[in-house]
Amino acid sequence: AQTVTQSQPEMSVQEAETVTLSCTYDTSESDYYLFWYKQPPSRQMILVIRQEAYKQQNATENRFSVNFQKAAKSFSLKISDSQLGDAAMYFCAYRATGTASKLTFGTGTRLQVTL
Amino acid sequence: GAGVSQSPSNKVTEKGKDVELRCDPISGHTALYWYRQSLGQGLEFLIYFQGNSAPDKSGLPSDRFSAERTGGSVSTLTIQRTQQEDSAVYLCASSPLLDLSYNEQFFGPGTRLTVL
Repeated sequence: AQTVTQSQPEMSVQEAETVTLSCTYDTSESDYYLFWYKQPPSRQMILVIRQEAYKQQNATENRFSVNFQKAAKSFSLKISDSQLGDAAMYFCAYRATGTASKLTFGTGTRLQVTL
Repeated sequence: GAGVSQSPSNKVTEKGKDVELRCDPISGHTALYWYRQSLGQGLEFLIYFQGNSAPDKSGLPSDRFSAERTGGSVSTLTIQRTQQEDSAVYLCASSPLLDLSYNEQFFGPGTRLTVL
């Protein structure tokens, strides 16, 4: 079975600084998807960024980028120029290929952004 | 268009009572998922619907949990004889099913269930 591990329950970053959230996963598959979701206090899960495992190039979305290390099964999220609105729970998630696969989530990292 | 909606937003019930949680997916989305988020935990998968059928029920924790989907749209998650360990946020997500492409899951705001 696939597992996703987030070893940082809480992280803190100063506004305008850069922070990296860690995620490791375990799978025997060679092709899959990885995601980072943001969950603010409103509880709405928001997709931040996704990575297809067959792509070697790391995904980027504006201030958000990932460091995908397939051999090490590592998938970290870097947030640059942190903003107060980035404060939330961040979840790493895995999904097998296939049109209707479920998501497997880590336990989350709570990110605080300070002035 | 409208996103995924869930009702009620919050539900407080007494141990032993039955509860029904509702999910309205995005119009036209064939796939519907239920997840549970317990305090301090990530989301755990409960059940997946494709249309009105549920090909994957592997995440339902006990036979007290059931779900149905009618008309390929609204889904109801029912918990019978609720227990305190059922207290959690129940999240619903929907997705289009487009062959050979990535199908993003869009999440609703969840229902927070508290069992006293």
